[in-house]
Amino acid sequence: GAVVSQHPSWVICKSGTSVKIECRSLDFQATTMFWYRQFPKQSLMLMATSNEGSKATYEQGVEKDKFLINHASLTLSTLTVTSAHPEDSSFYICSASITSGGVYEQFFGPGTRLTVL
Amino acid sequence: KQEVTQIPAALSVPEGENLVLNCSFTDSAIYNLQWFRQDPGKGLTSLLLIQSSQREQTSGRLNASLDKSSGRSTLYIAASQPGDSATYLCAVPNTGGFKTIFGAGTRLFVKA
Repeated sequence: GAVVSQHPSWVICKSGTSVKIECRSLDFQATTMFWYRQFPKQSLMLMATSNEGSKATYEQGVEKDKFLINHASLTLSTLTVTSAHPEDSSFYICSASITSGGVYEQFFGPGTRLTVL
Repeated sequence: KQEVTQIPAALSVPEGENLVLNCSFTDSAIYNLQWFRQDPGKGLTSLLLIQSSQREQTSGRLNASLDKSSGRSTLYIAASQPGDSATYLCAVPNTGGFKTIFGAGTRLFVKA
């Protein structure tokens, strides 16, 4: 199956700093990528939908100025957590979708664990 | 708005038991339904993907069924093993907008 990578796999930062997380589709081009957040013992919550070359669509309650998403190419989307605070500590997972022959499928990255001190 | 519910929330069984995990969704306009496994602190591992036109998929000891009209899917695990202990998530992407919504998951513990 298609592979999606994330970098870094984990990051620890000080409160007030910004952190960038990369999501790459390694062997396919993804017109749409998604960013999810998962708090401990909870399910994945969709944060935003990212389309190549256009602005991301954010879910209700997600601050677009805090979580900056850039999808500059068909294989790369980035999520920047600006002015991070301890409550932003979470597991962030991206996914990339492809549609081929009428079949739609999403492939998920391994996740990035963010800890804000 | 799509809502995905998984029952039970947690399950503890002795090794060797066959078990069924349930997933229900409110909007039947889906492309497919996917079952994932997640180990603590780890990412998602895709187990089975059922297209909307399909009724079931099988992989080893796992069998997933889909009844789109009733908004239900089940994941059947045969002869459970301690290594099956994990959280199992079902997810459905809607045909409108391609958003994939996840259920809250079923935490499975298989006792040796």
